Amino acid sequence: TQLLEQSPQFLSIQEGENLTVYCNSSSVFSSLQWYRQEPGEGPVLLVTVVTGGEVKKLKRLTFQFGDARKDSSLHITAAQPGDTGLYLCAGVNAGKSTFGDGTTLTVKP
Amino acid sequence: KAGVTQTPRYLIKTRGQQVTLSCSPISGHRSVSWYQQTPGQGLQFLFEYFSETQRNKGNFPGRFSGRQFSNSRSEMNVSTLELGDSALYLCASTGGQGENIQYFGAGTRLSVL
Repeated sequence: TQLLEQSPQFLSIQEGENLTVYCNSSSVFSSLQWYRQEPGEGPVLLVTVVTGGEVKKLKRLTFQFGDARKDSSLHITAAQPGDTGLYLCAGVNAGKSTFGDGTTLTVKP
Repeated sequence: KAGVTQTPRYLIKTRGQQVTLSCSPISGHRSVSWYQQTPGQGLQFLFEYFSETQRNKGNFPGRFSGRQFSNSRSEMNVSTLELGDSALYLCASTGGQGENIQYFGAGTRLSVL
């Protein structure tokens, strides 16, 4: 069974602060995806990382895939209240996605 | 292009009943996956259908079943409902060959009393 552990589970910060969310596994994945889910909605894909060591930036969000393709991190710079939501990582192998339990982020104005 | 549509949005059932949830994928998408989301277990994969055939299956009991129609619309059925089946059920559709982007619907919130 492929498991993904996300940390922290909950994060509450003030607007303007930086934060990092981690996604770790003992399994190797062909790719890893990050999603954001808002209340009452389904998850929305933010990014897919494929190559070990890959770094992708999406405005204030920086995603990194570990060299061994077992872990990933999401760093948010100068968080804003609009970043509030549930962040999910998903490891993909053979077209099948395994999701982490998510990190609930609250950014207070 | 319309997104993934799930109906109904909310459902209340009692133990022992059965329920059918519906998912209409994005036009042209042939793959539909179903997930169960609960606070304690996160997002758990139920099954995936492609061209009316179940292609992948998660570790759920046989009370959970699904099907896909020729127009790619999918239904999920849960029989003999248990309290623990209360969850948000999400459907995701995936597009062209090689694409691994899942587009999720807003989900059906099922409450079992």
